[in-house]
Amino acid sequence: DQQVKQNSPSLSVQEGRISILNCDYTNSMFDYFLWYKKYPAEGPTFLISISSIKDKNEDGRFTVFLNKSAKHLSLHIVPSQPGDSAVYFCAASNTGNQFYFGTGTSLTVIP
Amino acid sequence: DVKVTQSSRYLVKRTGEKVFLECVQDMDHENMFWYRQDPGLGLRLIYFSYDVKMKEKGDIPEGYSVSREKKERFSLILESASTNQTSMYLCASNSPLGYEQYFGPGTRLTVT
Repeated sequence: DQQVKQNSPSLSVQEGRISILNCDYTNSMFDYFLWYKKYPAEGPTFLISISSIKDKNEDGRFTVFLNKSAKHLSLHIVPSQPGDSAVYFCAASNTGNQFYFGTGTSLTVIP
Repeated sequence: DVKVTQSSRYLVKRTGEKVFLECVQDMDHENMFWYRQDPGLGLRLIYFSYDVKMKEKGDIPEGYSVSREKKERFSLILESASTNQTSMYLCASNSPLGYEQYFGPGTRLTVT
């Protein structure tokens, strides 16, 4: 049973526009959420995270929003750049020892 | 610069072979993880370890075992490889004080 879901397998965006990647979860005990970026033939790299006590966290062009009542988080990338083209995974945890990952969204930023 | 290394980037094995995948981290992290990544399924946890000689099953432990004899090293063992274990295997580590995981580059295993 998938506890973290990314319902959009792929997304295409024009360079300079906003990319919005979405993630839903089912377990209300999750207290920490993370986004990872993965290029082909490389391991995922950490991008940005948010604690359940916050509803927004920003780091440069990347902002993560958390809506606990809807059990939904989103990653906004503004402005999108061609180098942002990658697969993005969201992940959730309630212990720091075990993490649940979504199935990933492949983002293509068109120059 | 933090580093997680995996012993092989690509591996081809035959059905029934015993396969060892090695992972080493240099960050003195207590926690280490093995995942497999398959198209449409994301990353699924096979096993994790929160201390030397300790291990916990993840979501898909069947057909796998692990070994953690030293803090920096976490090995994944396929006792008798099968074709449905063809996958990308990713090792990760983190400190119990932080949630961020650091991943290795992955091992693409093909079982024929």
